[in-house]
Amino acid sequence: IAGITQAPTSQILAAGRRMTLRCTQDMRHNAMYWYRQDLGLGLRLIHYSNTAGTTGKGEVPDGYSVSRANTDDFPLTLASAVPSQTSVYFCASSEVESNEQFFGPGTRLTVL
Amino acid sequence: LAKTTQPISMDSYEGQEVNITCSHNNIATNDYITWYQQFPSQGPRFIIQGYKTKVTNEVASLFIPADRKSSTLSLPRVSLSDTAVYYCLVGDRVTGGGNKLTFGTGTQLKVEL
Repeated sequence: IAGITQAPTSQILAAGRRMTLRCTQDMRHNAMYWYRQDLGLGLRLIHYSNTAGTTGKGEVPDGYSVSRANTDDFPLTLASAVPSQTSVYFCASSEVESNEQFFGPGTRLTVL
Repeated sequence: LAKTTQPISMDSYEGQEVNITCSHNNIATNDYITWYQQFPSQGPRFIIQGYKTKVTNEVASLFIPADRKSSTLSLPRVSLSDTAVYYCLVGDRVTGGGNKLTFGTGTQLKVEL
């Protein structure tokens, strides 16, 4: 692995179902982030983690949860998906105290 | 985080220099100015960052006047592959933590032949 990866690439999900988006980085960055990007809009921060074992809420955290059991992985879970969560989800990582974030390729999620 | 204002879109031709200006009137003393580039169906990519005066790297230059209330991203001799959305962000480096960046809607740059 080189950089940051996300899985799945895309997913169609029925409303009410549970879904976990995976994110893994091999750069040993302490900080990781989840953003969503809706069509024609900028990115909005969902949750972030400054280091393994800690997480924080971003701008739009409702309906999402995260965990950070180790440095490399930062999964995002939708407990009960709703159509308004249809979006492209980007995971990112950075060194602590850096504004240079490295982004994954994104997961395109459609909730019907 | 300070709010930023930048043009919604810009058009240019190959070989020209493109300057994208961003306003950030409420920038705080500790804030840095960071620019990202995003191609369709990809995540954003860091381009350049600065605090004051001028910063240059292999991709772009960033000009910041003394009052720091605006900044200009300069792309020399653009090509078709520079067609992308460019985001201007202003934010503080968080001591001991990751930085929560705020992305606006960005500037859609379209480069034509």
